[in-house]
Amino acid sequence: NAGVTQTPKFQVLKTGQSMTLQCAQDMNHNSMYWYRQDPGMGLRLIYYSASEGTTDKGEVPNGYNVSRLNKREFSLRLESAAPSQTSVYFCASSQGYGYTFGSGTRLTVV
Amino acid sequence: GDSVTQMEGPVTLSEEAFLTINCTYTATGYPSLFWYVQYPGEGLQLLLKATKADDKGSNKGFEATYRKETTSFHLEKGSVQVSDSAVYFCALSMKTSYDKVIFGPGTSLSVIP
Repeated sequence: NAGVTQTPKFQVLKTGQSMTLQCAQDMNHNSMYWYRQDPGMGLRLIYYSASEGTTDKGEVPNGYNVSRLNKREFSLRLESAAPSQTSVYFCASSQGYGYTFGSGTRLTVV
Repeated sequence: GDSVTQMEGPVTLSEEAFLTINCTYTATGYPSLFWYVQYPGEGLQLLLKATKADDKGSNKGFEATYRKETTSFHLEKGSVQVSDSAVYFCALSMKTSYDKVIFGPGTSLSVIP
């Protein structure tokens, strides 16, 4: 089925470890996004890519980096994980109005 | 700045009850308005949208009307089902260099048999 695919679905990291969350969309959308969702905090934008070759900071970029590898793929990297980065991470894409979201990555940093 | 306000939850209703979830917004210009739904353990899904004043978005029995005069986009359903239990997010979109979307905090709905 067409949509946004995120991997992995679950991950446990130790403090200081690094990892990359992968996201791919097959809808030929120009724009892609990374959000985190925390209880009581709603959805917060980490980084976005308006188009292939561009990336920009969102509301909460500290501790993260991103790569827009091509039009399909947009990865999120945690260089040195911290317990404050325990969250559910969602990737989304859009072309015009309305987002399509992936099913999320539940990340726990211990 | 632009923002979205939703009624506080959680909301608990009996099956077949009438649902209203209030949403108001603040925006410069003329945003598009959306309702997204998130079922347990899943990502958000677009439920309905309206792109200009007086438009009515509808899907799966849910409706919302874009009211510019009251800056509102209230979600309604005439008869809820247990399967409607989810978190509902109101959102607005302003067309900039990208599709900038601002989400409300979400309203949790539980429907009991």
